[in-house]
Amino acid sequence: NAGVTQTPKFQVLKTGQSMTLQCAQDMNHEYMSWYRQDPGMGLRLIHYSVGAGITDQGEVPNGYNVSRSTTEDFPLRLLSAAPSQTSVYFCASRSTQGPPGELFFGEGSRLTVL
Amino acid sequence: KQEVTQIPAALSVPEGENLVLNCSFTDSAIYNLQWFRQDPGKGLTSLLLIQSSQREQTSGRLNASLDKSSGRSTLYIAASQPGDSATYLCAVTQAGTALIFGKGTTLSVSS
Repeated sequence: NAGVTQTPKFQVLKTGQSMTLQCAQDMNHEYMSWYRQDPGMGLRLIHYSVGAGITDQGEVPNGYNVSRSTTEDFPLRLLSAAPSQTSVYFCASRSTQGPPGELFFGEGSRLTVL
Repeated sequence: KQEVTQIPAALSVPEGENLVLNCSFTDSAIYNLQWFRQDPGKGLTSLLLIQSSQREQTSGRLNASLDKSSGRSTLYIAASQPGDSATYLCAVTQAGTALIFGKGTTLSVSS
C-alpha cells in the first residue's frame, strides 16, 4: 500500500538553484495537488491537477511550475529557489468519481533554501 | 473568500478526559469537511470526512459533527489517551476541487 510517495524527504538548496519535488500515487486518482505548510500560515495550495494534461493555480503559485503528463505523477518544479520557499511541501491526491472524497497525503518534503 | 478557523490553537488535558475541538468556516457552500491528524514531522492522516448532506460521522472514539448553516464543525474525542497527542486540522472542500485548511489545534494529553 504505497499511497502517495514524495521524494526527496529532505533537500537543501542555495538561492537561485533549481530542483524538482517528485510526487507519485498508485491509487489511480485523477486529482493531485501540492501544498506548502509554514508555521503560523497553515497549509496553502500551490497548484493542483484534475487529470493528465490539466493543471491550475492555487493560492500561492508564484515561483513554482507543475505539469501532469501521467495520472500517477505530479512533479513540482522550483526554477530559481528563494529563501521564502523554505517550507514543508505536501502532495495530496483523491478520486474525482462521485462526491469529493477523502484526500490522501504524502509524508512531506522538507526544503531549506539558503 | 472562505476562511477556516480553529479554536483553541493549543489544548492540554489529562488522560481520560473527553474533549471537543472546534472548527468554523465563513462560507457554507461546501461539499464536505474533513478532519486530519498530523504528528510532528509527519504528513496528514485523514480521520473523518463529512459530506455536506450529513450531520455527523463516527470512527471509534472520534465523533465529528457538521452544522453547515452555522458554519461549524466539532471533533469530539472520548476518553483521551497520550497517543492522541497531535495537531488536528479541519479542512473544507469548495466548488471545484480546492481544500481550504484551518491552522490546527495542537493537543497534548498527559498521563
